[in-house]
Amino acid sequence: EDQVTQSPEALRLQEGESSSLNCSYTVSGLRGLFWYRQDPGKGPEFLFTLYSAGEEKEKERLKATLTKKESFLHITAPKPEDSATYLCALQSGNTGKLIFGQGTTLQVKP
Amino acid sequence: NAGVTQTPKFQVLKTGQSMTLQCAQDMNHNSMYWYRQDPGMGLRLIYYSASEGTTDKGEVPNGYNVSRLNKREFSLRLESAAPSQTSVYFCASILDRANYGYTFGSGTRLTVV
Repeated sequence: EDQVTQSPEALRLQEGESSSLNCSYTVSGLRGLFWYRQDPGKGPEFLFTLYSAGEEKEKERLKATLTKKESFLHITAPKPEDSATYLCALQSGNTGKLIFGQGTTLQVKP
Repeated sequence: NAGVTQTPKFQVLKTGQSMTLQCAQDMNHNSMYWYRQDPGMGLRLIYYSASEGTTDKGEVPNGYNVSRLNKREFSLRLESAAPSQTSVYFCASILDRANYGYTFGSGTRLTVV
C-alpha cells in the first residue's frame, strides 16, 4: 500500500536557523512526489514536484531533494514568513489522485 | 482573479440536514477533486472527476455525492449530515493528469452539530 509519513509533526526555529523536514514514503512505482505549503485558513499552495531519486529543486530559501525512500525539504536561513504547514504528497496511479502526509507545522520566531 | 472558488466558506448544519458545497474553476482545467482535511489525518480524497462527464470515488466517499455540472463546476452534496462529517473541505483542480500541481480553493469549514 502506498504510504506517506512526515516528521516532525511540529518544528520551532529561530529566524536564520536552518533545518530540514522529512517525508518518508513507500510506493509500488514512483510517479511523483509533491510538496505544498498551507497557511492557516487557506488551501495548500503548490511548491515542488520531484520525479526521480537524486532530483533537487529550489525556490528562494526552500530546497527539495528526493531519494528512493525519502524526500527532504531543506529550509535555509528561514524567516518568520516561512511559518506554515508543509505537506508532502505521493502520486497514486494515473488519475491525478494524491496521497498526502499529515504535514509538518513550522514556526519561525524572529 | 483566476483560480478555484468555493462557497460557502463556513457552514453549521444540524445532524440530518443536507447541503451542497459549490466549487468552480476558471482555468479551463480538466480534472477536479474534493478532499477533506481533519486534524492528524491529512488530506483525504472524497471524490474526483478526471474529465467532464465522469466521476469516481476516492478514499472516503461514504455519505457524499458529487456532480460535475460542466467543465468549470464540481459540487459535493451531503444528503444527511453526520457529526463525523465535521471537517474542512477543499476543492482542487489540475489541467491534465501529467500536471499534478493542484490549484486548491480556500476551503469550506463545515460543522455538524
